[in-house]
Amino acid sequence: AQSVTQLGSHVSVSEGALVLLRCNYSSSVPPYLFWYVQYPNQGLQLLLKYTTGATLVKGINGFEAEFKKSETSFHLTKPSAHMSDAAEYFCAVSPYSSASKIIFGSGTRLSIRP
Amino acid sequence: EAGVAQSPRYKIIEKRQSVAFWCNPISGHATLYWYQQILGQGPKLLIQFQNNGVVDDSQLPKDRFSAERLKGVDSTLKIQPAKLEDSAVYLCASSRAGSSSYEQYFGPGTRLTVT
Repeated sequence: AQSVTQLGSHVSVSEGALVLLRCNYSSSVPPYLFWYVQYPNQGLQLLLKYTTGATLVKGINGFEAEFKKSETSFHLTKPSAHMSDAAEYFCAVSPYSSASKIIFGSGTRLSIRP
Repeated sequence: EAGVAQSPRYKIIEKRQSVAFWCNPISGHATLYWYQQILGQGPKLLIQFQNNGVVDDSQLPKDRFSAERLKGVDSTLKIQPAKLEDSAVYLCASSRAGSSSYEQYFGPGTRLTVT
């Protein structure tokens, strides 16, 4: 069975600082991995995805994530935080054998300090 | 292209009442999903449709929840009777069939409060 663990329900960084949101997964088969962002009172928007190929994937708004199979991790980073990055971020996993079935983590709320 | 549409955006009902939510997916998307997102948690899949057939409803509380997608386009999710623990945001998502099926597009959600 697949599962996702997001370390830290709330992360606060200063504007301009590095953003690091942690995600670990468990999967019995090679997974697809995703990061979604949810702004207040809005639905989820796909930030980036890993399916196959290059393990460092770049997404929208300057975010990127690296798939590390040996660590079963898919951490999300951004070099310099912007006030507009304040939102809830969800890591998600999908077994490629059933690609449309996505399991979400519990989310990390990112706050940006001026 | 237009995104996933949902209505209403907000709904407040008393326990034991019934409620229905509507979703119109992105045009041409064969797969439609309903998720329940309780405050502080990630979305949990309730039901998945492929065209007008149910693919997965294993986590749908069938004694009180029902969903349909009669013409393979828009869908309704109903709760009858509602309980306090049903308070949540109900998200609808859609995706294309085939190799891009993992890329889901979400609507804004319906926030349900049961009092």
